Amino acid sequence: AQSVTQLDSQVPVFEEAPVELRCNYSSSVSVYLFWYVQYPNQGLQLLLKYLSGSTLVKGINGFEAEFNKSQTSFHLRKPSVHISDTAEYFCAVTGGGNKLTFGTGTQLKVEL
Amino acid sequence: DTAVSQTPKYLVTQMGNDKSIKCEQNLGHDTMYWYKQDSKKFLKIMFSYNNKELIINETVPNRFSPKSPDKAHLNLHINSLELGDSAVYFCASSQDGNPETQYFGPGTRLLVL
Repeated sequence: AQSVTQLDSQVPVFEEAPVELRCNYSSSVSVYLFWYVQYPNQGLQLLLKYLSGSTLVKGINGFEAEFNKSQTSFHLRKPSVHISDTAEYFCAVTGGGNKLTFGTGTQLKVEL
Repeated sequence: DTAVSQTPKYLVTQMGNDKSIKCEQNLGHDTMYWYKQDSKKFLKIMFSYNNKELIINETVPNRFSPKSPDKAHLNLHINSLELGDSAVYFCASSQDGNPETQYFGPGTRLLVL
């Protein structure tokens, strides 16, 4: 079984500042990792994913994440955020099966 | 051209009622899912169907019954609604059960009074 921990429930940040949203996972098998974004009153949209290969993955909207196996982490970063990045961000993991296990989400609030 | 659509978008109903939520995908995917997102935004899978066959059935009260008439549709019927059923329900689909191809619908916001 897999589990995901997103320690930060809310992250406030000023526009154009960098941001990092933390995600740690636990699993007894190799994992696939994902970040999803949920804008207010909308469904989830895939930001990026790690399946294999390079540990630094780039996604949409200028986001990137780094898979760190030794620290069992998959933190999401963006060098300069915009007001439109205000949303809920979910980290998710699967052990290669059909089922995604989600973290509890991090609310990113970008302020002027 | 909506990939995964759900109806209704909002649903307000009384305790004890029976209601259905419909989901359709036009992506040609063979796997469909229902997720529940509670008031704290926690998202958990409820069911998954592959080619109309149930493959994931998490610990969900049997008041919830999914029905897949064909691989493009997965409906969720809920009997005897309770206050705790208030949540946002998301439908999703993927190809061959691969999470990396999973697309989510816009959600149905259910409020039980």
